[in-house]
Amino acid sequence: DSGVTQTPKHLITATGQRVTLRCSPRSGDLSVYWYQQSLDQGLQFLIQYYNGEERAKGNILERFSAQQFPDLHSELNLSSLELGDSALYFCASSVGEKGEQYFGPGTRLTVT
Amino acid sequence: AQTVTQSQPEMSVQEAETVTLSCTYDTSESDYYLFWYKQPPSRQMILVIRQEAYKQQNATENRFSVNFQKAAKSFSLKISDSQLGDAAMYFCAYRSPSGSARQLTFGSGTQLTVLP
Repeated sequence: DSGVTQTPKHLITATGQRVTLRCSPRSGDLSVYWYQQSLDQGLQFLIQYYNGEERAKGNILERFSAQQFPDLHSELNLSSLELGDSALYFCASSVGEKGEQYFGPGTRLTVT
Repeated sequence: AQTVTQSQPEMSVQEAETVTLSCTYDTSESDYYLFWYKQPPSRQMILVIRQEAYKQQNATENRFSVNFQKAAKSFSLKISDSQLGDAAMYFCAYRSPSGSARQLTFGSGTQLTVLP
């Protein structure tokens, strides 16, 4: 158990819908990262937050957005969902911006 | 941009034997971090080992060790005395030490099968 929690574990939704994935970092960790793992794209970095501020953006679609709240939990919002958005979404956290990243168990999103 | 290549999509090893997983990377930076992550069937991503580029000594964690060749941009993982629980997908990952690129860049993974 890494100490990073993600909810829900599984999510099944229809095309065009909007979902929110939630992540709680390890106690004391200020940095949160979101990654997407899909069969065709592999593991890809989406976005990073540090102490509430966006720090880096990767291959994140405009339909996707995220935020980190004052209690340091983070949410990833996916809207206008397409079949190709079906993937495993991981959240990871680290103490600062230089520490090891510890991953949560992931949220499996299936878009039908 | 940095790239990470794992050229072995699948490998197998007999229980109690030793196996080496390969990873190469491309970067223009002189200082960086390299990692191996393990993803078992549960899909959890587990940090196995980490190497700082400025350290010449190869990292070791119990049965796991790396062979870091900075000039060749090679970072292989050696698993000694393989156990059934080592069966998993293994990902090599790169991270910059500074600037905005603190995220991990992953290779495509190597699926390791451990044969009893």
